[in-house]
Amino acid sequence: QKEVEQNSGPLSVPEGAIASLNCTYSDRGSQSFFWYRQYSGKSPELIMSIYSNGDKEDGRFTAQLNKASQYVSLLIRDSQPSDSATYLCAVSGNAGNMLTFGGGTRLMVKP
Amino acid sequence: KAGVTQTPRYLIKTRGQQVTLSCSPISGHRSVSWYQQTPGQGLQFLFEYFSETQRNKGNFPGRFSGRQFSNSRSEMNVSTLELGDSALYLCASSFLGISDTQYFGPGTRLTVL
Repeated sequence: QKEVEQNSGPLSVPEGAIASLNCTYSDRGSQSFFWYRQYSGKSPELIMSIYSNGDKEDGRFTAQLNKASQYVSLLIRDSQPSDSATYLCAVSGNAGNMLTFGGGTRLMVKP
Repeated sequence: KAGVTQTPRYLIKTRGQQVTLSCSPISGHRSVSWYQQTPGQGLQFLFEYFSETQRNKGNFPGRFSGRQFSNSRSEMNVSTLELGDSALYLCASSFLGISDTQYFGPGTRLTVL
């Protein structure tokens, strides 16, 4: 059973701080890794994708991948109240487009 | 470019009925995947279609089925509805279909009474 684990939170950070979200996965054959943001009552929205070890930066967001440790993280710099949402880590292998999702981490950014 | 669209957005059914949900992918995308989201189980993969063929299937009973048309639009059907089928059903499309970025539609909220 392929598993993706996330701390459910809530993770509470003050406005302007760095939020660090973590995710571990069990399938060593996983090849693609994604972070989605989901506001309450809405559908998931893609934030970042990462495919190789290391860091990938996009604006205030940085995704980090360590395949040896089976670990993916998302850093949000200068957190804003509008970043308050549930962040979903998703992983896929090489057999089509099946995403396995973690349970999500609820982030709360306090003004 | 228009995003993924799903219809209907909300649906109320009673136990034992069947339901059909529709998804139109982003123009040019050939892969369509379906997911079920519930508070208890989170987001779970139902199935994926690519070029009208089901390529992957999740661990759901046979009451859940789907198909894809030549224009890449997809439908999923749930027969003999159960209370536990109440969920947000999400469709996602991607261009290539192998470990590719998936873009989600707004979802269909199904309530089974």
